[in-house]
Amino acid sequence: RKEVEQDPGPFNVPEGATVAFNCTYSNSASQSFFWYRQDCRKEPKLLMSVYSSGNEDGRFTAQLNRASQYISLLIRDSKLSDSATYLCVVYSSASKIIFGSGTRLSIRP
Amino acid sequence: DGGITQSPKYLFRKEGQNVTLSCEQNLNHDAMYWYRQDPGQGLRLIYYSQIVNDFQKGDIAEGYSVSREKKESFPLTVTSAQKNPTAFYLCATADILSGNTIYFGEGSWLTVV
Repeated sequence: RKEVEQDPGPFNVPEGATVAFNCTYSNSASQSFFWYRQDCRKEPKLLMSVYSSGNEDGRFTAQLNRASQYISLLIRDSKLSDSATYLCVVYSSASKIIFGSGTRLSIRP
Repeated sequence: DGGITQSPKYLFRKEGQNVTLSCEQNLNHDAMYWYRQDPGQGLRLIYYSQIVNDFQKGDIAEGYSVSREKKESFPLTVTSAQKNPTAFYLCATADILSGNTIYFGEGSWLTVV
């Protein structure tokens, strides 16, 4: 079983739609979680950290469920510019950082 | 300017040759990482290092080697033992004590010809 599992998609949704991604992790001791965005042929860029209490940044909301060992990302009112691959990231141990395989999102006009 | 510098950005290798990808950082981060990304795939961990003169294998270390002689530098050698080395290679650093943001270099594209 992979340490971090993520639905690969692709998700193809119309502009203005709400879309949600989930990511599960296997190490219950994991402490830090993030969502990164990656555009084609570029390095990943930080989208947001994920906190136990949940956090929001504009149209983006991230949640952590420690009991079920998953993190989620919700994008509301999606824009064409949101089209990208979204990667969940888990600090599997004190220093080992594992990425999910990425979820591809395409927003259509 | 603080950041991570990877070089070269594009590299062509003949089969049977070793090549070394450079990664330098001036963020003063202890932890450094090498990831490989194949087209349409996620990032897979090759090697990581928490501290100078120490490093650990990731999930796909076979055919690769690293060194960590200085805090700022974490070069990756792709050896001839790596059967399918054509990929996008990303170097990253993190301030692990604070479980903080991961920073990436711009990546190196390696093609075997």
